[in-house]
Amino acid sequence: NAGVTQTPKFRILKIGQSMTLQCAQDMNHNYMYWYRQDPGMGLKLIYYSVGAGITDKGEVPNGYNVSRSTTEDFPLRLELAAPSQTSVYFCASNPTDPDGEKLFFGSGTQLSVL
Amino acid sequence: DQQVKQNSPSLSVQEGRISILNCDYTNSMFDYFLWYKKYPAEGPTFLISISSIKDKNEDGRFTVFLNKSAKHLSLHIVPSQPGDSAVYFCAASGWGGKLIFGQGTELSVKP
Repeated sequence: NAGVTQTPKFRILKIGQSMTLQCAQDMNHNYMYWYRQDPGMGLKLIYYSVGAGITDKGEVPNGYNVSRSTTEDFPLRLELAAPSQTSVYFCASNPTDPDGEKLFFGSGTQLSVL
Repeated sequence: DQQVKQNSPSLSVQEGRISILNCDYTNSMFDYFLWYKKYPAEGPTFLISISSIKDKNEDGRFTVFLNKSAKHLSLHIVPSQPGDSAVYFCAASGWGGKLIFGQGTELSVKP
């Protein structure tokens, strides 16, 4: 049972480059999320999705885009990478109910923008 | 505006003793609270939760206490073990059911 799978695990980007962080879950969860974790700042919600074809902004969406064409996949796109986007990115999912608040996280993508 | 705060960045405890991790929140509309545990190079994993209609929830060595009047929750680990060394995040279920996380507390349990 793979759970939530994120790729890549590490990436270094130059300022202005673009990339897509991949996230896939095999638990048939409707809800999926992207968080970033900065040192001493906890996890901040970037974008979330309540089902295929439906996405919405979280607390810190600027500089990112998402799409949700299938229940399984929720990629995060960085269009013009900036040093402020250096962070650890976590994808998560959860079922609608009954344990709707319990998130299942991937192992993260460590991104450095230089 | 930090709605969920963990004011202690780190905590060191001797093996076998009690670990107490604290969390404060500002929004009285939060109705569900969770604790997550995170090891280095891994994603957070769910540990224990509590509904706002309760003041205590226990699961083995882990107990979460909720004081709604003080807008404060705490996680007690008894007895602490070296394998408990990790970063602990508290989280509150906010608008639309989305979680708001605290900054995390790094627990170190010394043998």
